[in-house]
Amino acid sequence: QQQVKQSPQSLIVQKGGISIINCAYENTAFDYFPWYQQFPGKGPALLIAIRPDVSEKKEGRFTISFNKRAKQFSLHIMDSQPGDSATYFCAASRGGATNKLIFGTGTLLAVQP
Amino acid sequence: KAGVTQTPRYLIKTRGQQVTLSCSPISGHRSVSWYQQTPGQGLQFLFEYFSETQRNKGNFPGRFSGRQFSNSRSEMNVSTLELGDSALYLCASSLEGRGAYNSPLHFGNGTRLTVT
Repeated sequence: QQQVKQSPQSLIVQKGGISIINCAYENTAFDYFPWYQQFPGKGPALLIAIRPDVSEKKEGRFTISFNKRAKQFSLHIMDSQPGDSATYFCAASRGGATNKLIFGTGTLLAVQP
Repeated sequence: KAGVTQTPRYLIKTRGQQVTLSCSPISGHRSVSWYQQTPGQGLQFLFEYFSETQRNKGNFPGRFSGRQFSNSRSEMNVSTLELGDSALYLCASSLEGRGAYNSPLHFGNGTRLTVT
């Protein structure tokens, strides 16, 4: 019940295309769903986050779509750029109570020029 | 503003030894969390500290311990190292201890521990 399942494991997208990464969770107590971006040799950096009271959140080229009923959420990267090439992690937590994040297994994104 | 600083960046230890890793949070941040990152298990939560008190602990053996000092700096210790402890250890700080939603986590670049 504590798992967050993330897919795909890796993704290759052409420059200008849309990158889509999906995550699913089981624990209905989770109420905070962040996405992190990690470059080689660096720590994860918070990209965008959502709470279950909204179905979508957009920040620049990055959008989270959230389906509370299906217990799924996804990251869409519009107009993908080579600089977006990184590993992306979804996570879930009881965000109002703890800093304990349950992370997905990560998606390695490669944006080809 | 300086980010989360972790020292050392790289560490090589022998099985059976112990190791101490250090984390300096962003100035003004009072909460520190530790995570272990490995290719096989991904990112896993170790502990969470706020105002020198451990508030939450992950599912790791007692060989893993931590503490937080009055200046919010934190250390984690791993005793009797095993080969499987080889990992990137990440520290994250947040402004307050009111949960990740209210006070987002900022990660450092980690300490890469290799156990031989």
